[in-house]
Amino acid sequence: ELKVEQNPLFLSMQEGKNYTIYCNYSTTSDRLYWYRQDPGKSLESLFVLLSNGAVKQEGRLMASLDTKARLSTLHITAAVHDLSATYFCAVDPPTQGGSEKLVFGKGTKLTVNP
Amino acid sequence: DVKVTQSSRYLVKRTGEKVFLECVQDMDHENMFWYRQDPGLGLRLIYFSYDVKMKEKGDIPEGYSVSREKKERFSLILESASTNQTSMYLCASSFPREASDYEQYFGPGTRLTVT
Repeated sequence: ELKVEQNPLFLSMQEGKNYTIYCNYSTTSDRLYWYRQDPGKSLESLFVLLSNGAVKQEGRLMASLDTKARLSTLHITAAVHDLSATYFCAVDPPTQGGSEKLVFGKGTKLTVNP
Repeated sequence: DVKVTQSSRYLVKRTGEKVFLECVQDMDHENMFWYRQDPGLGLRLIYFSYDVKMKEKGDIPEGYSVSREKKERFSLILESASTNQTSMYLCASSFPREASDYEQYFGPGTRLTVT
């Protein structure tokens, strides 16, 4: 059974600092997704990583995927308050019986303080 | 732009009532999903559907059923609502996983309170 672990689950950081959120998963996969969720709102897609070594950047966020290590990272550069949200990674497991399910991590709640 | 809409943002129901949550997508996606989200538990899959009239149980199907009579619409039914079904319900849709642009798109969510 595929397990997806994010850490940390809670992250409080100061504006201007850098930090990394980690997403580890337990079985082979070459597709990984990052989502953002603002309080009381739904999930918004941030990045789709489709192969080993994939790197995507949008503004102050950069995501990467290492399928050999079964690890994805979401790096935050020079954080600003607007980045405060909960970030989820989700992994696409190898097809088993035609399953179309994603498996989500529990989320990392990021708070950026002035 | 993919649009996934849900019939209500907030809903308050009484214990024992039958509750219908509706989800509609406009991207001709084959797959549709219902999740519930609770603090500390993340997203948990209730049911999903990969075609009209086809459905598959997720991780927590007990107490729920679903209906998909048309491709664009996926309904979640709580046959007899209970207080432990108070939660945020999220609908999502996607193309099949073989598609190069497989990705799940989420609706705005329905916050259901059962009293």
